[in-house]
Amino acid sequence: SQKIEQNSEALNIQEGKTATLTCNYTNYSPAYLQWYRQDPGRGPVFLLLIRENEKEKRKERLKVTFDTTLKQSLFHITASQPADSATYLCALEPADSWGKLQFGAGTQVVVTP
Amino acid sequence: ETGVTQSPTHLIKTRGQQVTLRCSSQSGHNTVSWYQQALGQGPQFIFQYYREEENGRGNFPPRFSGLQFPNYSSELNVNALELDDSALYLCASSLDSGGLNSYNEQFFGPGTRLTVL
Repeated sequence: SQKIEQNSEALNIQEGKTATLTCNYTNYSPAYLQWYRQDPGRGPVFLLLIRENEKEKRKERLKVTFDTTLKQSLFHITASQPADSATYLCALEPADSWGKLQFGAGTQVVVTP
Repeated sequence: ETGVTQSPTHLIKTRGQQVTLRCSSQSGHNTVSWYQQALGQGPQFIFQYYREEENGRGNFPPRFSGLQFPNYSSELNVNALELDDSALYLCASSLDSGGLNSYNEQFFGPGTRLTVL
């Protein structure tokens, strides 16, 4: 069966450190992998997208890697700030289902001063 | 803010009732997708509408239905509500230019919190 797995335990991290989140998937052939941020009671907000033929993508303090052999994406927040505290969702867009995102359950990040 | 609005923000219904949720797309967007997000879970794809036609459906029963209007706003209807339908319902709009293998960023609304008692 198809699965998208993210760490279910909250990640508690000190301000200034790097937070690293993992997204593993099985039985998918994603054309794209995306990361979203979701705050309580709000809709997800798009952060970064990486294509199947890309290894790494950066945007300001965010970095995403994508390994289609390991079927894994890593999401890094460098120099983390308390404002980065939120739930981070990974989402796959299968090559045969354009626009129909398949989400993981998300990982909560808590950045303490 | 994404420019995608949803109404109502909260709704309480009883089992067996019917509900209609509404979504107003971001200006210029022609595609709307609906997702159900249970507490502590990621959003689950329900269906997508492109230019007023259903364009793909997730693993949801037929009592979940939808509409897209000429102005690209959309409705999600759920009949015969069950307790497990309690969730945050999200809509996301995007502009599909029709290009093959092109990515269309989705913009999510704030959601409607549905509670079924």
